Amino acid sequence: GENVEQHPSTLSVQEGDSAVIKCTYSDSASNYFPWYKQELGKRPQLIIDIRSNVGEKKDQRIAVTLNKTAKHFSLHITETQPEDSAVYFCAASSRNTGKLIFGQGTTLQVKP
Amino acid sequence: AAGVIQSPRHLIKEKRETATLKCYPISRHDTVYWYQQGPGQDPQFLISFYEKMQSDKGSIPDRFSAQQFSDYHSELNMSSLELGDSALYFCASSLGGGAAGYTFGSGTRLTVV
Repeated sequence: GENVEQHPSTLSVQEGDSAVIKCTYSDSASNYFPWYKQELGKRPQLIIDIRSNVGEKKDQRIAVTLNKTAKHFSLHITETQPEDSAVYFCAASSRNTGKLIFGQGTTLQVKP
Repeated sequence: AAGVIQSPRHLIKEKRETATLKCYPISRHDTVYWYQQGPGQDPQFLISFYEKMQSDKGSIPDRFSAQQFSDYHSELNMSSLELGDSALYFCASSLGGGAAGYTFGSGTRLTVV
């Protein structure tokens, strides 16, 4: 069945360091890969996304890379700040239905 | 512009009661998705509707039902509530049955006591 695996489950970095979160997906029909930041009790907030026809996308300190052959995609955050501390979810969406299959989440802690 | 509106924001019910959650999509969005997020868990897809027809179904218990109305708003009906149904319920909307403009609502926190 459809599945998204996300690693690591927790990540602690010093302010200013980089953080990398990795995900793999199983459904080869997936063509849209968003990343969400979620604070406790709040809605998932889209921070960046990538479609299957693109290998890399960057938005200021955030970048996402996609390897369709290996079915994995990664989130890179550079120059981390304490306000980046949150739970991050990757997700994959099928071309046909639009439903999102989420990874298990990564709790990122940025220490000042 | 108004986003996806969910009501109520908080709901407390007793076991075996029923609950109805409502979702009003962004204007002109014709697709609605429901997700359930337990404490410390990732959001789990429940069900979706496109142009008022069920388009996909996930891990939705038989005790739950949902529909999308002519104005595109959707309601999730939950019966015979169990303690394990306590969770955040998110609705999302998009355009055209796919991921275009995918937007989440603020969620409904359901607590079953």
